[in-house]
Amino acid sequence: NAGVMQNPRHLVRRRGQEARLRCSPMKGHSHVYWYRQLPEEGLKFMVYLQKENIIDESGMPKERFSAEFPKEGPSILRIQQVVRGDSAAYFCASSPRTGEGLAFFGQGTRLTVV
Amino acid sequence: QQQVKQSPQSLIVQKGGISIINCAYENTAFDYFPWYQQFPGKGPALLIAIRPDVSEKKEGRFTISFNKSAKQFSLHIMDSQPGDSATYFCAASIGDSWGKLQFGAGTQVVVTP
Repeated sequence: NAGVMQNPRHLVRRRGQEARLRCSPMKGHSHVYWYRQLPEEGLKFMVYLQKENIIDESGMPKERFSAEFPKEGPSILRIQQVVRGDSAAYFCASSPRTGEGLAFFGQGTRLTVV
Repeated sequence: QQQVKQSPQSLIVQKGGISIINCAYENTAFDYFPWYQQFPGKGPALLIAIRPDVSEKKEGRFTISFNKSAKQFSLHIMDSQPGDSATYFCAASIGDSWGKLQFGAGTQVVVTP
C-alpha cells in the first residue's frame, strides 16, 4: 500500500520560470492538502482539494500560485514566475473521504529558486 | 497570528529521560489534535492524536495529555531514545477538514546517548 507520492523530490528553477509539483494521494484517499514549509519553520496550510474541486484555498498566495486535482491523475501545485522567496519544501497530505480522516504526508518537494 | 503556540523551541534530553513538549491553542472550535514527527529531509509522520473528549491518550512510549479548560495539550516521550531525535510538531484542526491543520512552530528534540 503505497503512501502519498510526491515528485519531483528536488526541483531547481531560475527566477521567472514555472514550477510544477505533483502529488498522488494514498489509495482510497480523495482529499488532498498542500502545505509549505520554510526553513526552520512549521508547516503552513495552502489549499485543500477534492477531485475536480477546490474546497479551501485560504492559504494560497493571491498571485502566481494555483492548484488542481483532476478527475484522473495527480494533484498539481503550480507556481508561475518563481521568485527566491518561493524556495521551500512543499508537502502534500491526503485523507480518506469519510470517517476520521487522518492526514498522511508525502516526502515533499524541495524547491530551490536560483 | 499563530493559532497554535508550541514550546520549547528545542530540547536536549539524556537517553532514558522524559521529553515534554507543550502546545496551547486559541480557537475553541478545534476538535482534533495530532502530533507529527519529522526527520531531516523527510515528510511529517503522524505519531499520535487526541480528541477533546479525552484527557489522555497513550501509545507505547508516547502520551498526549489534554486540558480542554486551559486550551493546552502536551506530548510526553518516555524513556527517550537517540532514534527519537527529530522535530516534533503539534497541530489542530476543525470538524470535517481533518487535513487542514494549524501547526505549531516545532520543537527540535535531541536525545544524547
